[in-house]
Amino acid sequence: QSVLTQPPSTSATPGQRVTISCSGSSSNIGRNTVSWYQHFPGTAPKLLIYTNDQRPSGVPDRFSGSKSGTSASLAISGLQSEDETDYFCAAWDDSLNGVVFGGGTKLTVL
Amino acid sequence: QVQLQQWGAGLLKPSETLSLTCTVYGGSFSAYYWSWIRQPPGKGLEWIGEINHSRSINYSPSLQSRVTMSVDTSKKQFSLKLKSVTAADTGVYYCARISYSGGSLVSLDSWGQGTQVTVSS
Repeated sequence: QSVLTQPPSTSATPGQRVTISCSGSSSNIGRNTVSWYQHFPGTAPKLLIYTNDQRPSGVPDRFSGSKSGTSASLAISGLQSEDETDYFCAAWDDSLNGVVFGGGTKLTVL
Repeated sequence: QVQLQQWGAGLLKPSETLSLTCTVYGGSFSAYYWSWIRQPPGKGLEWIGEINHSRSINYSPSLQSRVTMSVDTSKKQFSLKLKSVTAADTGVYYCARISYSGGSLVSLDSWGQGTQVTVSS
């Protein structure tokens, strides 16, 4: 059971916009920033979003992040077939004194 | 462009010690914390702990009694040892670079490729 809660899966068609939620508590998302990662199985996860809504250089602006209260969201607009993979969120947890993760969301591009 | 390359034994017997090492290519070694994360089969990611160049360490409370992390700054390497492994320690283990700002976590901005570790008799 992951500390941060994500939907196990979601799907959308090419060109659409999809959002993935990440729900936490006052000890993690409520007090700290959220980052998002794209993970193709068997490869190194890739940072997509940091500090809730900032994109590293090289990440397309189709990817955006937001945070409100104890929840955060990753939005992908103009969905492409190559976006089909796993996505997970992360944050620091003040109670556990460590990094906590979401369980991951598998995105299917129909 | 920083790259993390990790290696270590992938098949262990119960009660043995898991040992993994990660080498950092490019970028600063002293400006970051260095972390280990694992993912059991079919489950989410679990943070194991972190260490920096001056050996400031923070372990996950759930693994603290079995974990040892170390660094070799001359080689830009950091290592993980997990003793007395059981089948529950089976999973993919990742090394990662952690970026902090003002004492707050920013991101895990670079990751190793992962190492499959299986514990089986």
